[in-house]
Amino acid sequence: DIVLTQSPGTLSLSPGERVTLSCRASQSVTSDYLAWYQQKPGQAPRLLIYGASNRATGIPDRFSGSGSGTDFTLTIYGLEPEDFAVYYCQQYISSPRTFGQGTKLEIK
Amino acid sequence: QEQLVQPGAEVRKPGSSVKVSCKASGGIFSNFAFSWVRQAPGQGLEWMGGIIPYFGTGDHAQKFQGRVTITADKSTRTVYMELRSLRSEDTAVYYCARGGEIPASRVWAMDVWGKGTTVTVSS
Repeated sequence: DIVLTQSPGTLSLSPGERVTLSCRASQSVTSDYLAWYQQKPGQAPRLLIYGASNRATGIPDRFSGSGSGTDFTLTIYGLEPEDFAVYYCQQYISSPRTFGQGTKLEIK
Repeated sequence: QEQLVQPGAEVRKPGSSVKVSCKASGGIFSNFAFSWVRQAPGQGLEWMGGIIPYFGTGDHAQKFQGRVTITADKSTRTVYMELRSLRSEDTAVYYCARGGEIPASRVWAMDVWGKGTTVTVSS
């Protein structure tokens, strides 16, 4: 199984700041089959990024994904109050299509 | 409007089974990948398995080998996840999620989610 390790576990930031979340894979995620999701308390996850760098429909352009191979990042430019949530990466190149353990973004 | 409708909650005793349904609307049902993802209280997301109705056969994580079956009924546009030999650790919210349409590369990136079914396993 491909293990995804996200860092850091928790980040405390203020609205307006820029943040970069990391996702490292235990083996190469070929063809950039990596997605990022946002989850707020009591809600289902929402797809933000697929194919490592493609924004899903309706996702604001302040969300940006990059990376390849084993190292991927999600950058949020200019945090809005609604962006404080938990973020998960997921690889879907092979089964099981594993998730990282999540990074919690909290308001400072 | 594409949506996935799941029951709100199920309660089962240890050792029993649960079969959770997920009814899809919108799009060509058979051509999409459907996944089941669960989330234990206060924990992260765990991909359990999935199915593409066009191909028929489900796929699941080895962790659930022998306990889970994922099926799809094209006539009712419904996907099912059955989990057997339930234990307290299976208490979680179970989400049904839809990915992309074959043959797109993002077939397993999930952009439509149900609201989740809370399964409680308790004696």
